[in-house]
This record gives sequence, C-alpha cells and structure tokens, in this order.
Amino acid sequence: ELKVEQNPLFLSMQEGKNYTIYCNYSTTSDRLYWYRQDPGKSLESLFVLLSNGAVKQEGRLMASLDTKARLSTLHITAAVHDLSATYFCAVARSTGTASKLTFGTGTRLQVTL
Amino acid sequence: DAGITQSPRYKITETGRQVTLMCHQTWSHSYMFWYRQDLGHGLRLIYYSAAADITDKGEVPDGYVVSRSKTENFPLTLESATRSQTSVYFCASSASSYEQYFGPGTRLTVT
Repeated sequence: ELKVEQNPLFLSMQEGKNYTIYCNYSTTSDRLYWYRQDPGKSLESLFVLLSNGAVKQEGRLMASLDTKARLSTLHITAAVHDLSATYFCAVARSTGTASKLTFGTGTRLQVTL
Repeated sequence: DAGITQSPRYKITETGRQVTLMCHQTWSHSYMFWYRQDLGHGLRLIYYSAAADITDKGEVPDGYVVSRSKTENFPLTLESATRSQTSVYFCASSASSYEQYFGPGTRLTVT
C-alpha cells in the first residue's frame, strides 16, 4: 500500500524567510504532483515531477524529486503573504487503466507580516 | 464556459437518505475521479473511471456507487448516507494518465 507523508503539517513563517516542505512516499512511483489549495477552494496544480532529479521552479516556489530516496521537496524562497495556503503532494501509480493519486495530508502554510 | 463543474455545491441531508453528487466536464477527458477530503487525511480516492461504462474502486469505495453512461458525466451516489460521509467531495478529470484537473467541490453534511 502506498503511503505518502508530508511534514510539517502546519508551518507559520515570516515574510521574507525561506522554508522547505517535505514529502516522503513508500513505494516506487512514476510521477509526483504538488497542488495548492486556498481555503474553501479547489486544488490548483503547481508542479508535475516526472523523473529522478527533476527540478521545477515557478516564482518563489521550487520543487524537486529524488526517486531513490522517495522524497520530494517544495522550497519556498522569501515567502510573501500570498503564498498562504495548504500545499499537497500527490504520488501517482499507474494501474493499467488510470493513474491513481495518493495524497499527503497537506501542509498548511501561514505567512505572517 | 468549458471546464469541470460539480453540483450541488452545498448539500445537507439526513442519515439514511440517498443523495447523488453530479460531476460534468466539457473537455471530453477519458478519465474521471471522485475524491473525498477530510481533515487529517488529505484527499482519498473513492472511485475512478477510464471511459464510459468502465469504473473501478479506489481507496474508500464503501457506501458509494458510481456510473458513467456518458463521457462527460460521472455521478456519485451515496445509497444510504451516514454521518461519516460528511465531507468535501471533489471530482477530477484527466485526458490521459497524467495531470488531473479538479472541480470546485461539493460540501456535504449528513445530519
């Protein structure tokens, strides 16, 4: 059974600071996703990581994937208040007919002034 | 406007009642999914479908029924609602075994 663990579950950080969210998973996977969710809203796709060593950056967010360690990180650089949201990683497993996602429990990020 | 929609957005029902949540997408995506989101669990897959008339169970299928007679629709039915099914339900669709696009969600309360 695939298990996905995120930490921390809650992160309060000051504007301008850097921090990293970690996503560990238990079995081999062919792709990993990062999503953002604002309160009461749907999920917004941030990154899709397809291979070992993959690194993607968008603004102040950078995601990386180490398939050997079964670890993905989401690094936040110089946080701003607009980044306050809940961030989920999700690991994909292809089952022949579809790609099933297993989600982490999410990291609630609060950026304070 | 094209995309993926869910209805109703909010629903309150009583224990034991049958309730159906609707999901509609205009992209003609082959794959569709139903998830539930609960605090402390992230999102968990209930059922998914690879095409019309092809469905399969996900991680937490008990108490739910799905059908997919048309590519664009994927309704989720709670046959006899229980309080433990109080949750936020998200539908998603995908063109391939790649990126999934999520609907706005349905907040269901079972009293």
